Amino acid sequence: SYELTQPPSVSVSPGQTARITCSGDAFPNQFAYWYQQKPGQAPVLIIYRVSLRSSGIPERFSGSGSGTTVTLTISGVQAEDEADYYCQSADSSGTYPVFGGGTKVTVL
Amino acid sequence: QVQLVQSGAEVKKPGASVKVSCKASGYAFTGYYIHWVRQAPGQGLEWVGHIFPNSGGTHYAQKFQGRVTLTRDTSISTAYMELTGLRSNDTAVYYCARGDTPVPFDSWGQGTLVTVSS
Repeated sequence: SYELTQPPSVSVSPGQTARITCSGDAFPNQFAYWYQQKPGQAPVLIIYRVSLRSSGIPERFSGSGSGTTVTLTISGVQAEDEADYYCQSADSSGTYPVFGGGTKVTVL
Repeated sequence: QVQLVQSGAEVKKPGASVKVSCKASGYAFTGYYIHWVRQAPGQGLEWVGHIFPNSGGTHYAQKFQGRVTLTRDTSISTAYMELTGLRSNDTAVYYCARGDTPVPFDSWGQGTLVTVSS
């Protein structure tokens, strides 16, 4: 089964750039997706197909990929960006979804 | 707008079963997968399985095979997840979510807390 590996935590000062990596053998054959989850809320899809922003998502959120690693970048981090972020992909058949373990972004 | 509304919180004893519902509105129910994802307290997201309402076809994560059953009632645009043989580590928030393909999940329900305790 596929596994996706994320760092458990990332800390960043307001206005700086946060980068969250997600590594796994699913890439680059399968697309990557990113979700933001704030405490007590359901996740929200923010990036799909590696680099496309969902409707209503600020431009400071961007996605990229290189080899077996994909990256979510938050440029000019704001306090409201403090949340857990999860990457997602699928197995080689595209049938079985898999999540990364999640990264907690703390805004200092 | 797309809405997924889940049934309320449940408290169950070990060994019991639970059935959670997810009522969809604002889109064509039969044309989109309904996924189930769980999140144990303080933990990450874990995919449980999905159903394609048009055909009723299902896929389950290997971890839950034999313990989970996903069904749907297209007449009322509602999907169901039944989990049997509950144990304490099944305590989690269970989410339903929608997708037009197996990934990604573009809309989510509000979550249903299932607590397993003796």
